[in-house]
Amino acid sequence: QSALTQPRSVSGSPGQSVTISCTGTSSDVGAYNYVSWYQQHPGKAPKLMIYDVSKRPSGVPDRFSGSKSGNTASLTISGLQAEDEADYSCCSYAGTYTFEVVFGGGTKLTVL
Amino acid sequence: QVQLQQSGPGLVKPSQTLSLTCAISGDSVSSSTAAWIWIRQSPSRGLEWLGRTYYRSKWYNDYAVSVKSRITINPDTSKNQLSLQLDSVTPEDTAAYYCAKEYCSGGSCARTGFDPWGQGTLVIVSS
Repeated sequence: QSALTQPRSVSGSPGQSVTISCTGTSSDVGAYNYVSWYQQHPGKAPKLMIYDVSKRPSGVPDRFSGSKSGNTASLTISGLQAEDEADYSCCSYAGTYTFEVVFGGGTKLTVL
Repeated sequence: QVQLQQSGPGLVKPSQTLSLTCAISGDSVSSSTAAWIWIRQSPSRGLEWLGRTYYRSKWYNDYAVSVKSRITINPDTSKNQLSLQLDSVTPEDTAAYYCAKEYCSGGSCARTGFDPWGQGTLVIVSS
């Protein structure tokens, strides 16, 4: 069982927007602005899409955006494209007395 | 451009030690800003952060509580690579193992932002 809770699947049509949630606790998501999101296509390594809640690495389209409210972080993908179909996982810092990082269980995004 | 190339056996017997290496090009394992990470992924456990090593005038390590008694991450400055050792493996340690670097931009590095990643190594624990 993963430390962060994500929906198993979401779907949307091309051009639409979808939002994926990531629920943690006051000890991880709610405590720090160190939430990141990863995209993973089958057989590939994860790719960093968002870090520090809402920052995009260079090269990531601005269709991808991140936010956080309380213990829940969200990834929003606008203007859905076929190539966005992938698994998305959230990640948060969770250290109190030691350095610790936790992941969500992943969400399968289907572009209809 | 930083690239990470992993190597190591894909099959390990139960109770033995899993050993992987991650060769770094385009950066230094002794970077004074970034940390170097090991992460694994299995269908049952999803992505799991295992630990990191980094250099800030001396070497430091942080390990996940779940594997702390069994894991060692070492830098090899002569070969510019890092290694992962996981002792006393069981079938539950079967997973794809990845090395990665903290993503750095504008002189600072992201605590949970990892980029780039190695290509991954599927390790099966079986007799």
